[in-house]
Amino acid sequence: DSGVTQTPKHLITATGQRVTLRCSPRSGDLSVYWYQQSLDQGLQFLIQYYNGEERAKGNILERFSAQQFPDLHSELNLSSLELGDSALYFCASSVGGQGFQETQYFGPGTRLLVL
Amino acid sequence: GIQVEQSPPDLILQEGANSTLRCNFSDSVNNLQWFHQNPWGQLINLFYIPSGTKQNGRLSATTVATERYSLLYISSSQTTDSGVYFCAVDRRRSNFGNEKLTFGTGTRLTIIP
Repeated sequence: DSGVTQTPKHLITATGQRVTLRCSPRSGDLSVYWYQQSLDQGLQFLIQYYNGEERAKGNILERFSAQQFPDLHSELNLSSLELGDSALYFCASSVGGQGFQETQYFGPGTRLLVL
Repeated sequence: GIQVEQSPPDLILQEGANSTLRCNFSDSVNNLQWFHQNPWGQLINLFYIPSGTKQNGRLSATTVATERYSLLYISSSQTTDSGVYFCAVDRRRSNFGNEKLTFGTGTRLTIIP
């Protein structure tokens, strides 16, 4: 158990809908990262937040947005969903703001299926 | 963007064997990480290794940045080592900016008892 929790574990929805994925980092970790893993695109880094502020942005679509709240949990919002958004979405956390120079601890993922 | 190639794509070994996984990248990088995804989907960050050599138990990694490759060594393989191993790189010099962390397509390792 990494200490990172993600909810829900599974999500099935329809095209055009909007969903919110939630992540709680390990106690004491200030950085949260979001990743997408799909059969088409493989593993992709989406976005990183550090202590409430956006720190780095990767391949995140404009239809997607994220935020980190004062209690350090993070939410990834996916809107106008398309079939191609079906994927496993991982959240990870790390202690500080050094990003990929720090060990990241991954949650179990949320599996999203868009029908 | 930067290209990351991993080889071999698949590797099947007997328990106890040693293995070497390779990651080639097309441009100079400042960050390189190795990850393991077990058969149940859990991702684990193994090494941050933009250059040099690191060891952690039966696993070690070496990155030769000037030649644009990294190697992950697994000694005395165990069935729990099965899964997919990914390397990922990015070129940011600090932890700010929009350089993308780019993942390779992975090496699927299967350890047979």
